[in-house]
This record gives sequence, structure tokens and C-alpha cells, in this order.
Amino acid sequence: QSALTQPASVSGSPGQSITISCTGTTSDVGGYDYVSWYQQHPGKAPKLMIYDVSNRPSGVSNRFSGSKSGNTASLTISGLQAEDEANYYCSSYTSSSTHMLFGGGTKLTVL
Amino acid sequence: EVQLVQSGAEVKKPGESLKISCKTSGYDFSTYWIGWVRQMPGKGLEWMGIIFPGDSDTRYSPSFQGQVTISADKSISTAYLQWSSLKASDTAMYYCARRLGLRYFDSWGQGTLVTVSS
Repeated sequence: QSALTQPASVSGSPGQSITISCTGTTSDVGGYDYVSWYQQHPGKAPKLMIYDVSNRPSGVSNRFSGSKSGNTASLTISGLQAEDEANYYCSSYTSSSTHMLFGGGTKLTVL
Repeated sequence: EVQLVQSGAEVKKPGESLKISCKTSGYDFSTYWIGWVRQMPGKGLEWMGIIFPGDSDTRYSPSFQGQVTISADKSISTAYLQWSSLKASDTAMYYCARRLGLRYFDSWGQGTLVTVSS
């Protein structure tokens, strides 16, 4: 099964807001509220930023928010900061034999 | 505090076997799924498989079924990922991570770099 579809890159200036999309199908993103988002800085392990579409783990800034409409989930980062520059991956449970999928990743550049 | 500590980097030759580990602490190992994720150089995350240590229920991504074996030892709260015959294409960073049901990974290990080269 193909990975979830994310834009390869997005960019924004400090203080601005950006949104990263994650498109799947009714078998994954559209069918379950089990979308999660991970931040990965170069050379570091991924970090959970959003789970179950829109929930933030303890310790994650409220500048990060998640939502979903149909087969597309979105991660929004408001008040961009230099430290937000990283790769972001979405993930979803899927009813297929794969059980879960990752998106291809989006590189966020803070200009 | 939940911690997942992985074994160190490995350099192997094609055809060799390998078993890497993920030692956990700070929670009941038997009651959470543990998964393995591959990241090839410069590439994205790929889910390989997960195991529920409580009953050893193991599920593999179709892409990795038959290519690797995932196991766990409850007595030492440690999960494993092993290969019987490595290929150069297995060169990658491998992460273990604790999974909440089949929903998301909430805690990650630091990664184990595996290099396979003749």
C-alpha cells in the first residue's frame, strides 16, 4: 500500500503560520481518527507532536495543532520559530494488512 | 520516566546475521506494543512491524514480512529486531518505539545505525 501523501517541502517566516497536509484514503486517514504527527530534527529520533488527529502530548507547544477533513489530515504550526525547522511525518492506522502507514515526510524551512 | 535504549551501531558484511535490541524501562513492558521503524539514508520513516510482549502477538508490514524477525523477552523488558542474512540495502537507521494500541508511537529509542558493506 502506498504511503500517505505529504508535500515535500513547505516554508514560512518566523511568526507566520504554516499547514502541512497528509492525504490518504477511506481505509486509513478518512476512516479512523488515528492520525498522528512526528517531528524529526536531523540526526535525532522522531518526536510525537499530535495524536488521534488533534491531541497534543504533554509538553508539546500549543502552537502545534491538528485537524482532519475527509481523507486529508493537517498539521498547523502557528507563530513559527527557528526551532520548528525539521522534517514532519504523518501516520495513520489502516484497515489493510499493513496496519499502519507513514507519509513521505515534509521538510519545513523557517526563512 | 519511559525510556527505550537501543544497542549500538553495527557494521556487518552481506550475508551475515544480526540482532539489535531495545531495552525499555519506566513502564510495564508486557502491556504495550513495541514497534520497529526503518529510515534509510536521507529517506523517510517506514513501519516494519510490531510486537505485543504480553503474548508475543507479532504483526509485520508486508514489505518486511519474511525479511526480519521481531521478538521480545519479558524477563528483561527488551525487544529485538533480527536478520538472518543481511543485504547492502539493509543499511539504515532503525528505531524502536512504544506504540499505544494501533494508534501512535509515543516514545522512541535513540536509533541503531546498521551499515552493511563488503
